[in-house]
Parts: sequence; C-alpha cells; structure tokens
Amino acid sequence: DTGVSQNPRHKITKRGQNVTFRCDPISEHNRLYWYRQTLGQGPEFLTYFQNEAQLEKSRLLSDRFSAERPKGSFSTLEIQRTEQGDSAMYLCASSSPGQGISEQYFGPGTRLTVT
Amino acid sequence: DQQVKQNSPSLSVQEGRISILNCDYTNSMFDYFLWYKKYPAEGPTFLISISSIKDKNEDGRFTVFLNKSAKHLSLHIVPSQPGDSAVYFCAASPINTGTASKLTFGTGTRLQVTL
Repeated sequence: DTGVSQNPRHKITKRGQNVTFRCDPISEHNRLYWYRQTLGQGPEFLTYFQNEAQLEKSRLLSDRFSAERPKGSFSTLEIQRTEQGDSAMYLCASSSPGQGISEQYFGPGTRLTVT
Repeated sequence: DQQVKQNSPSLSVQEGRISILNCDYTNSMFDYFLWYKKYPAEGPTFLISISSIKDKNEDGRFTVFLNKSAKHLSLHIVPSQPGDSAVYFCAASPINTGTASKLTFGTGTRLQVTL
C-alpha cells in the first residue's frame, strides 16, 4: 500500500497525559500537513512541513502541541497535558508540487479520546 | 468565521438520479477548489478539483462547476450510485507560487443514495 499511513488508529488517554501520533506520507511527497476534525466539522489545518522544515502553524496549535518531521520523511504530532477538548480525529495528508498545487492525499486518521 | 460553507447538512437521492452538492465561499483569495469524499472511519478521499481559470471540470460521473462571481461551486454526480453514499467536503485554497496551500474545508454534506 503506497498511501498515507497513520498510527495508532485509535488512542484513549486520561486527561493530563502526553500522546504522540505518527504519520508516514506517500514516499515521493515532500509536503506534509496535519489537520484536526471534530464531530460535525470539516478538517481544520494545524501545521505544514516542506521536507523537514515546519513552514506554517495554525493558531489552533497551542503550546501543548508540537510537530516534527525529522529527515523530511515521517512526522510526529505530540500533545502534552491532554485536555478533553483535544478529543478529535487527527488527520495527516501529503502532497507533491508535481501532482497539482493543492491536491492533498489523506491518511485514515488517528482518533483521540481524552477521558 | 466560516469561509467555506456547505449549507445542506444532508441530501437524499434515488439511485440513477443526479446528486447536486453545493458550496459557497467568502474569501476572494481562494482560487483553487476541491471536493473530497469521506466514509466513516476513513480519511477524506480526493475526488475532483477546479482552478478559478475554469468554470467546469469533468471526471467520469463527477462534474464540478464554478461560478466565481457568485463565489459558488457545485458537484454533480450522474448517475448516483449507492456506493456514493458518504460525506462530501468542499475545500478551497489560495494559489501562492512557491508556498504550500493549506485547505479550508466546509462542514460537509452527507449524501444518501437510496435504491
């Protein structure tokens, strides 16, 4: 399967704990995006990488959130001191300029539940 | 401030008939538009896109129409099939040369194709 993969698919954690999610983009894609989707809403942009550089962050991304993309391959999204409001689906997408300007391909998402 | 709006939360269409999903946007900087389909427990799947230099783009059973003056686009599915039952998201992006284009999504329309 050459699509975007995300792990874990589901995560249940207690409030105050730290969690980390991983995204593996399509191998030839140099751009990687994180989005968050809550019930009844569309995905909301969180942050974006081009290769290993994090070039844009949404104001939705509080200080408790950090994302990395070492070596420009996979990416991790960490949430520290989780709150119940962090419960959502976290989506990763990747794209390449050669495939169109904004055509992004999404992974299956990681569903986070904070109890 | 919802910059991309899908005012119909749901739509029911009989198999074989045309499905028309609508989307309005407010940001004049948007000039690239995409439709995604989402099944439960999966990430959004790219369907079709259109840039602002066109007013129509067709791919098989899917056609997207863009009316720039009205800031309105629509997705037509003809003929509708039961497998088309899913949530459809409209997304928009500005085209900025040399930068990635984050997507702004609408809230989605749930399409039900009945037998």
